[in-house]
Amino acid sequence: QKEVEQNSGPLSVPEGAIASLNCTYSDRGSQSFFWYRQYSGKSPELIMSIYSNGDKEDGRFTAQLNKASQYVSLLIRDSQPSDSATYLCAVNNQGNQFYFGTGTSLTVIP
Amino acid sequence: DAEITQSPRHKITETGRQVTLACHQTWNHNNMFWYRQDLGHGLRLIHYSYGVQDTNKGEVSDGYSVSRSNTEDLPLTLESAASSQTSVYFCASSEGLNYEQYFGPGTRLTVT
Repeated sequence: QKEVEQNSGPLSVPEGAIASLNCTYSDRGSQSFFWYRQYSGKSPELIMSIYSNGDKEDGRFTAQLNKASQYVSLLIRDSQPSDSATYLCAVNNQGNQFYFGTGTSLTVIP
Repeated sequence: DAEITQSPRHKITETGRQVTLACHQTWNHNNMFWYRQDLGHGLRLIHYSYGVQDTNKGEVSDGYSVSRSNTEDLPLTLESAASSQTSVYFCASSEGLNYEQYFGPGTRLTVT
């Protein structure tokens, strides 16, 4: 079982819609959770971090954490073509090991 | 502004040669990491360091080594390059445990 799992997609949404990206993790004791965006040929760029159960909002982005279900999600409201990228979920488990999912490819269609 | 840089950005080498990839950060972060990224595997941890003189093996450390002689630099050495080590390599740093990691621009390495 992989430490972090994501649906590889591709996920396509029309411009202006809500994009929903999901991630599950295996270590129940994991402490911190991150979403990165990676454009083709570029390095991962941090979007959000979340440490507590519930929602955390930053502009058009909302991260949701449910530790009981071992589930993290990222919602992108009012999706724009510039949001088209691969989104990586990362988890810091209780052994302080950082694991990344393989990423979900998102395409926003104008 | 603080940043993290990698050099070279592109490298072509031959099988069996020793190669060193440089990583330099001006964040003054204690933690530094090396990853490789391959299609279908995502980012995989090679080695990491929590401070000067500290180094640790990651998930895919065979054939790689690192040394940490100061806070700013964590060079990655491929002792004898193999075609399986053709990949994109990313260096990252973080302020501490449980903190977010910030990535360098990456080095694309081709082993022929």
